Amino acid sequence: EIVMTQSPATLSVSPGERATLSCRASQSVISNFAWYQQKPGQAPRLLIFGASTRATGIPARFSGSGSGTEFTLTISSLQSEDFAVYYCQQYFHWPSTFGPGTKVDIK
Amino acid sequence: EVHLVESGGGLFQPGGSLRLSCAASEFTFSSYWMHWVRQAPGKGLVWVSHINSDGSSTSYADSVKGRFTISRDNAKNTLYLQMNSLRVEDTAVYYCARTGGGDGPLDYWGQGTLVTVSS
Repeated sequence: EIVMTQSPATLSVSPGERATLSCRASQSVISNFAWYQQKPGQAPRLLIFGASTRATGIPARFSGSGSGTEFTLTISSLQSEDFAVYYCQQYFHWPSTFGPGTKVDIK
Repeated sequence: EVHLVESGGGLFQPGGSLRLSCAASEFTFSSYWMHWVRQAPGKGLVWVSHINSDGSSTSYADSVKGRFTISRDNAKNTLYLQMNSLRVEDTAVYYCARTGGGDGPLDYWGQGTLVTVSS
């Protein structure tokens, strides 16, 4: 099973600032990789798939990069609605596995 | 818009059984693989099971293999998860979600249903 690790565990950011979240896979997942956003009491929402493709309706301030084992989610200018937990997922090797999450909170 | 609605959660005793349902609408249910993903209180996401579009192929996480059974009724646009031999560690919110293909991103999720296993 591929282990996904995320850093940092918590990221404190001021509104309008840039946020950079990282995820690492224990072995290559090529670009079979996604990012999800989850707000309290809500289901996860797909943000990015294929490592860098935004899902339908996702604002352009969200961007994904990376391949192989190292991936990054960048939120260019944080809005109030972006404070949430972000999970990464690999779907190259079955079973699909998720990272432990990065909580983005208000500084 | 794609709509997935889970039901069947509640409080159950260890060793007990239950069946979760996920009603799908506003998309061609029979064309999509479906998944169950769970989230223990305050914890992260864990994939549980998937089923292919016609129900002929299923897969399970080791933690639930032999105890849980995923199934679907494409005529009723409904996904199921039969959960037997419940354990305290099965306590979680259970989400259904879809992928366009087997090994793909989970592009739509239901709102989840809470299963609590406790004596």
